[in-house]
Amino acid sequence: SAVISQKPSRDICQRGTSLTIQCQVDSQVTMMFWYRQQPGQSLTLIATANQGSEATYESGFVIDKFPISRPNLTFSTLTVSNMSPEDSSIYLCSVPGQGNSGANVLTFGAGSRLTVL
Amino acid sequence: LAKTTQPISMDSYEGQEVNITCSHNNIATNDYITWYQQFPSQGPRFIIQGYKTKVTNEVASLFIPADRKSSTLSLPRVSLSDTAVYYCLVGSGNTGKLIFGQGTTLQVKP
Repeated sequence: SAVISQKPSRDICQRGTSLTIQCQVDSQVTMMFWYRQQPGQSLTLIATANQGSEATYESGFVIDKFPISRPNLTFSTLTVSNMSPEDSSIYLCSVPGQGNSGANVLTFGAGSRLTVL
Repeated sequence: LAKTTQPISMDSYEGQEVNITCSHNNIATNDYITWYQQFPSQGPRFIIQGYKTKVTNEVASLFIPADRKSSTLSLPRVSLSDTAVYYCLVGSGNTGKLIFGQGTTLQVKP
């Protein structure tokens, strides 16, 4: 399965600022996914990062708040813009791979834990 | 994508077998069932995947009845290190994206 590196692993940010999270994969992948995990909660899909086109956002997430770049098949960034304390979460990058039954499974990075003061 | 229902939490003791059942009444014909494990401060990790009947790997077994409306993840002889959140997901895998439910928090006690 793919190996995913995320940076930063954690950060403390001030209200109103923006932070960009980087996701690097050790192999070329067509799709990359960005998830958010709020404290004590499950994972919520933010968007699908497509190489060569705009990201596809899930309901409740907009490009102005979470701009995504996908310059090539191994790299993506997620920016959390104009942060508020409600944005304090773990942000995870993931890519599809092959499960034991042949259908897609996801490999996740370790996540980026953001705390907004 | 089919919605899943799991127990919110479970307790067990070291050495016991743990079975976590997931309901997915609206599973589609081309959906697979996949389980993930998540430790604190880590991303979820794939455990096992199946379509029907039984699948076993070095970590767990997955039992799926004929109607596929539920599935059971079986962890043999759990240890303290199996304390984690376990997620059951269903999806066709064609789009790659998966929708996570609330998961089951398993607490293994000594």
